[in-house]
Amino acid sequence: GAGVSQSPSNKVTEKGKDVELRCDPISGHTALYWYRQSLGQGLEFLIYFQGNSAPDKSGLPSDRFSAERTGGSVSTLTIQRTQQEDSAVYLCASSFGIDEQYFGPGTRLTVT
Amino acid sequence: SQQGEEDPQALSIQEGENATMNCSYKTSINNLQWYRQNSGRGLVHLILIRSNEREKHSGRLRVTLDTSKKSSSLLITASRAADTASYFCATAGAAGNKLTFGGGTRVLVKP
Repeated sequence: GAGVSQSPSNKVTEKGKDVELRCDPISGHTALYWYRQSLGQGLEFLIYFQGNSAPDKSGLPSDRFSAERTGGSVSTLTIQRTQQEDSAVYLCASSFGIDEQYFGPGTRLTVT
Repeated sequence: SQQGEEDPQALSIQEGENATMNCSYKTSINNLQWYRQNSGRGLVHLILIRSNEREKHSGRLRVTLDTSKKSSSLLITASRAADTASYFCATAGAAGNKLTFGGGTRVLVKP
């Protein structure tokens, strides 16, 4: 079946602008995760959604970052007032339960 | 912050040779997973080993886990040029959800 999809695949934005990144998880997967990968910090957890439970936001680096998951499916990660240090590849993953996580291709964000 | 340390950071081998990489972690885990990444984009899940397991095989992959030493190893046997990639270990904590990744090992398999 279809894997995790993310859009856009690349995004270039000016410092100070807001961006929205989208993730479509695998159908039926109850859990959805956002990670980011940058040269300086490696792969970092950002936020985790599981069913109707309150999300685990413990990895969000600042209050400029937020995410929502509508209808238990699609998720949007929003970064407000982007900064150059936000430049990274943002990866979404989904899983059924707490086992293997299936990753999307990522969104490469460049803040100029 | 990263939980895991991986070594080596880079590995260059000839096609047909075996590749071994190691991962160490710091806190108790529910499971440990290995992923492969090509060209800095999506991660591909390779294998998951639970905290009560010691060894697991999948095709040419063999993973070991030593919870007393908080370490794991990934062995790729009879490597192929297509195995060239970065390999990451990731640990899932007691709740078994969010993953904490190691720094990765870049593997180059020369034909």
